[in-house]
Amino acid sequence: DTGVSQDPRHKITKRGQNVTFRCDPISEHNRLYWYRQTLGQGPEFLTYFQNEAQLEKSRLLSDRFSAERPKGSFSTLEIQRTEQGDSAMYLCASSPLWGLTGELFFGEGSRLTVL
Amino acid sequence: GNSVTQMEGPVTLSEEAFLTINCTYTATGYPSLFWYVQYPGEGLQLLLKATKADDKGSNKGFEATYRKETTSFHLEKGSVQVSDSAVYFCALSKNSGGSNYKLTFGKGTLLTVNP
Repeated sequence: DTGVSQDPRHKITKRGQNVTFRCDPISEHNRLYWYRQTLGQGPEFLTYFQNEAQLEKSRLLSDRFSAERPKGSFSTLEIQRTEQGDSAMYLCASSPLWGLTGELFFGEGSRLTVL
Repeated sequence: GNSVTQMEGPVTLSEEAFLTINCTYTATGYPSLFWYVQYPGEGLQLLLKATKADDKGSNKGFEATYRKETTSFHLEKGSVQVSDSAVYFCALSKNSGGSNYKLTFGKGTLLTVNP
């Protein structure tokens, strides 16, 4: 399977702990996105990478959140000092540099539960 | 700012019934419009798209027409199947200016089709 893969699929943690999610995009996709989805809501944009450069961060991404894509391939999203409000599904998507913007390929998501 | 408003769900239909899921949007400029679908246990995937006014997107028997005058992009299918049971998301991305890679999603509509 050569789709977008995310790991772990589900993470349960206690408030105050740090968590890290990994995303492996479709190979040769230059663009990589992180979204967050809470229950009953649509996905909300968090951040965007073009190759290794982080070009945009949403105001939703507080100082406790950091995302990296060091070699322009996989990406990590780290949440420090987790809070219960961080409980959500974290979605990663990728797309090629060419083609229609908005046509994204999504992974199955990483569900975070903060107790 | 940009926003998408979708028909509230859940929607429950019998097989072979006609489906309409309403979607209206607010955006500056001329957005591209999308319907994404999330089948149980799977990631979001693009169902259909339209990039300019009066364009009709179609796929798997689903259709939606980009109506600029009513700022709408309603999803329709003439005869639904059990396998169409999923959550459907309407989304837009801006075509001009910055951030044209960023999707704004509606809240999603859960469709259940009974045999």
